[in-house]
Amino acid sequence: TQLLEQSPQFLSIQEGENLTVYCNSSSVFSSLQWYRQEPGEGPVLLVTVVTGGEVKKLKRLTFQFGDARKDSSLHITAAQPGDTGLYLCAGDISSNTGKLIFGQGTTLQVKP
Amino acid sequence: KAGVTQTPRYLIKTRGQQVTLSCSPISGHRSVSWYQQTPGQGLQFLFEYFSETQRNKGNFPGRFSGRQFSNSRSEMNVSTLELGDSALYLCASSTPLGNTEAFFGQGTRLTVV
Repeated sequence: TQLLEQSPQFLSIQEGENLTVYCNSSSVFSSLQWYRQEPGEGPVLLVTVVTGGEVKKLKRLTFQFGDARKDSSLHITAAQPGDTGLYLCAGDISSNTGKLIFGQGTTLQVKP
Repeated sequence: KAGVTQTPRYLIKTRGQQVTLSCSPISGHRSVSWYQQTPGQGLQFLFEYFSETQRNKGNFPGRFSGRQFSNSRSEMNVSTLELGDSALYLCASSTPLGNTEAFFGQGTRLTVV
């Protein structure tokens, strides 16, 4: 069974703080995606990382794929209330399958 | 370009009934996947269709089934509903080749009473 362990599950911080969310597995992924989900809505794709060691930046968000392609992290700098939401990592075990393995998610609350 | 459209948005059914959910993918996307999201289990993969064929299936009972039409639109059906089937059902479309980058619809919130 392929599992993605995401931590922490819950995070409540003040505006302006930094945070990191981790996504770990014993499986190797061909790619890994990060999504953000608002209550009552579907997840929205933030980024896809493909190459081991890859780092991608999206404004204040920095995504990293582990060298062995088994883990990933999401770092948010100077969090804002608008960053509040559920963050999900999802791994693609192999290409051309249409199947993603999702982590349990990290609920982030940023207080003004 | 229009996103993934799921209908209906909300549904209330009683135990034992069956339900059909619909999904229209992004134009040009030929792969459609379905996921079940619950607070306890998170997002779990149900199945994926490409070119009207089920290409992958998750660990769900046979009461959960789906199909895809020639225009890539997809439906999923759940028969003999149980209380535990209450969940947000999400449809995602993607290009069928290469890495799976899923674009999700807003979901259908199913409540079984």
